Amino acid sequence: NAGVTQTPKFQVLKTGQSMTLQCAQDMNHEYMSWYRQDPGMGLRLIHYSVGAGITDQGEVPNGYNVSRSTTEDFPLRLLSAAPSQTSVYFCATRLAPSRTDTQYFGPGTRLTVL
Amino acid sequence: GDSVTQMEGPVTLSEEAFLTINCTYTATGYPSLFWYVQYPGEGLQLLLKATKADDKGSNKGFEATYRKETTSFHLEKGSVQVSDSAVYFCALSTGTGANNLFFGTGTRLTVIP
Repeated sequence: NAGVTQTPKFQVLKTGQSMTLQCAQDMNHEYMSWYRQDPGMGLRLIHYSVGAGITDQGEVPNGYNVSRSTTEDFPLRLLSAAPSQTSVYFCATRLAPSRTDTQYFGPGTRLTVL
Repeated sequence: GDSVTQMEGPVTLSEEAFLTINCTYTATGYPSLFWYVQYPGEGLQLLLKATKADDKGSNKGFEATYRKETTSFHLEKGSVQVSDSAVYFCALSTGTGANNLFFGTGTRLTVIP
């Protein structure tokens, strides 16, 4: 049982490049989400999904796209990378979009945009 | 909107000292409250949670009580260890819509021998 996996662990991009951060889970969780973590700002929600085929925007969605074609995978796409997107990105999952459920986090992807 | 305000850090304590990290919240619904911990180089993991007023969450010697009257969820531990050095995040699940989690800014704790 791998839990929540993220690839890659580290990535360096040039301004204007695009890339996809991968997130996969093997816990059959309905709810998946992406956060970015910046110094002094905690974690901010980018996008989330309450099930396959359903996605919605969080607090800071600009510059990012998501899709959820399967229960297991929830990739995050950067369309045209900017230095402001330098951050650590975490994928997180919950069994259901319930206010009491525990949220499980992946190990993170550290992205640097030059 | 819903938000969490967390005690600024960093916090440095000697081993066996008492720890308090303050957390207050603003919410329009009936939130659940969480403390997550992040060890160096890792993702966040749940430390404890409380899902209704007056509930006490506890784990690994840490405790926090959901106080609706003061909108607080302060984290405490009676005797910290070097292995408790980490960043601690207070979070709330909104109790509305998709019940997304909103996080505080985090408090870095360093425990010195």
